[in-house]
Amino acid sequence: NAGVTQTPKFRVLKTGQSMTLLCAQDMNHEYMYWYRQDPGMGLRLIHYSVGEGTTAKGEVPDGYNVSRLKKQNFLLGLESAAPSQTSVYFCASRLPGLASLGEQFFGPGTRLTVL
Amino acid sequence: GENVEQHPSTLSVQEGDSAVIKCTYSDSASNYFPWYKQELGKRPQLIIDIRSNVGEKKDQRIAVTLNKTAKHFSLHITETQPEDSAVYFCAAMRSYNTDKLIFGTGTRLQVFP
Repeated sequence: NAGVTQTPKFRVLKTGQSMTLLCAQDMNHEYMYWYRQDPGMGLRLIHYSVGEGTTAKGEVPDGYNVSRLKKQNFLLGLESAAPSQTSVYFCASRLPGLASLGEQFFGPGTRLTVL
Repeated sequence: GENVEQHPSTLSVQEGDSAVIKCTYSDSASNYFPWYKQELGKRPQLIIDIRSNVGEKKDQRIAVTLNKTAKHFSLHITETQPEDSAVYFCAAMRSYNTDKLIFGTGTRLQVFP
């Protein structure tokens, strides 16, 4: 049981390049999230999904797109990377319902640098 | 929408002392408040949570208190140890809008031996 995994772990991009970050979970979780973490800013929600085929915007969605074609995968895309997108990106997942409130399981993170 | 403020941003204590981290929230409808611990270079992990029908919850050396009237909640760590050194995040959520947590900006706790 791998939990939540992220690919890649590190990446360096040039301004204007595109890339996709992959999040995978093997816990059959309905809800999945993408956060970015910057110094002094905590964890800010980029986009999230409450089920296969659905996505929604979080606090800081601009410059990012997402897709949830399969329940176990949640992809985060940067179409034209900017230096302001240099950050550590965390994926998370959890079950729906009151019993599992807050028990979000996080992936190990992806450190992205945009030059 | 919900806004969560967290203080202090950094906290240094001597091993064995207590540490307290405080958070305030803006949405009076929020009724679920978890705390996450993130060690250096690692992922955040849930350490304790509290729901609004409870005023306090304890788990060994950690406890969380909630004041719904004042809209603030706190994390208390007693008998701190060097392994408690980490960044701690509070968060808030409405239970009838269970889509997303709103996180505070984090507190870096350093415990000196």
